[in-house]
Amino acid sequence: DAGVTQSPTHLIKTRGQQVTLRCSPKSGHDTVSWYQQALGQGPQFIFQYYEEEERQRGNFPDRFSGHQFPNYSSELNVNALLLGDSALYLCASSFFVDPLNTEAFFGQGTRLTVV
Amino acid sequence: GNSVTQMEGPVTLSEEAFLTINCTYTATGYPSLFWYVQYPGEGLQLLLKATKADDKGSNKGFEATYRKETTSFHLEKGSVQVSDSAVYFCALSGGSGGYQKVTFGTGTKLQVIP
Repeated sequence: DAGVTQSPTHLIKTRGQQVTLRCSPKSGHDTVSWYQQALGQGPQFIFQYYEEEERQRGNFPDRFSGHQFPNYSSELNVNALLLGDSALYLCASSFFVDPLNTEAFFGQGTRLTVV
Repeated sequence: GNSVTQMEGPVTLSEEAFLTINCTYTATGYPSLFWYVQYPGEGLQLLLKATKADDKGSNKGFEATYRKETTSFHLEKGSVQVSDSAVYFCALSGGSGGYQKVTFGTGTKLQVIP
């Protein structure tokens, strides 16, 4: 079992550009959540996808959008990149029906640098 | 809304010293509480969890007790090793945020020296 896999591992983009990050959940998991972790800070919840729909959203602007595919994998899209979007983006997968008893598994993250 | 406050680091200890990292939380209802660990260059790993008051979570010599009366979930280990050097995050889910969203503290960096 490969666990949660994210790609790419590192990315450098220019201010104003758009970026797409990808996540494959752990086998058997049906829910994907995305988090932004700025340097020296704790992860901040962006949004969560289940059954190809956004189920919950944190305090992030509409420039942040996502998608979930029928195979449960997910993409995070960020438009009009700002310098402040530079961070580690973490994907977590879990099982929607029983969140209390299902550990959320995190990927290694994608380090995004906006210049 | 939900929030987590944990002691600022870095914390530097000698090998075999006793570790305590303080964590308090604010949430309505009955949240689940977690400690995650992040080793250099890696993602987050769940270290331990507790889902109701007075529960004690434990793993790899670390333990934490869910104290509802003091809204705390302090992390302890009796004898730390160099390999425990990492960033530790206290977190919660449930309450007003729902169980699918995890709210994290800012993290405490632990450095253990031989």
